[in-house]
Amino acid sequence: DTGVSQDPRHKITKRGQNVTFRCDPISEHNRLYWYRQTLGQGPEFLTYFQNEAQLEKSRLLSDRFSAERPKGSFSTLEIQRTEQGDSAMYLCASSPDTANYGYTFGSGTRLTVV
Amino acid sequence: AQTVTQSQPEMSVQEAETVTLSCTYDTSESDYYLFWYKQPPSRQMILVIRQEAYKQQNATENRFSVNFQKAAKSFSLKISDSQLGDAAMYFCAYRGGATNKLIFGTGTLLAVQP
Repeated sequence: DTGVSQDPRHKITKRGQNVTFRCDPISEHNRLYWYRQTLGQGPEFLTYFQNEAQLEKSRLLSDRFSAERPKGSFSTLEIQRTEQGDSAMYLCASSPDTANYGYTFGSGTRLTVV
Repeated sequence: AQTVTQSQPEMSVQEAETVTLSCTYDTSESDYYLFWYKQPPSRQMILVIRQEAYKQQNATENRFSVNFQKAAKSFSLKISDSQLGDAAMYFCAYRGGATNKLIFGTGTLLAVQP
């Protein structure tokens, strides 16, 4: 197992375009999380999946954002009609059912909206 | 709402010396977990150490240890015998016992001088 994988590593897009990111968690981890990190800030929670069920969403996740985790394996995060304020690092993490031991993070996808 | 505060945006330490990074948090919960994560430049976030609130004994992981003061809601990280590879952004994070999301502080950028 190579840990949590995120693709792409970098994405530059024009304002108004749609983008989709992918996250492959550690295979035996049931829980998957998406976070957003802007420059100089700590990661902010976006959403969380237990298997294929999306159990919690942050207020930060506007109607332009949607996340899926079909079959409880990989997850995708889509941003529609991107805005310059969406420029950030998007981090994915996974954990087993007992998250007391913390998450395993991926390397992130850096989005730049021009 | 729970908050995590890291009051030191930047810290510097000489190689082989000891440094302490500060973290305070605010919560009304009695059951929670605290974490320190390390984020090297352009690399993924790695769990350094964790502490359960119900445990009085401070956690230790090799050169890393914490000073957990529950009444004061303080959770500092001590790095002993600092190494060049310790240079990174360090984030303090909180997770309530009834939730699955981590709440991060704004981070402390640690520089290690040779």
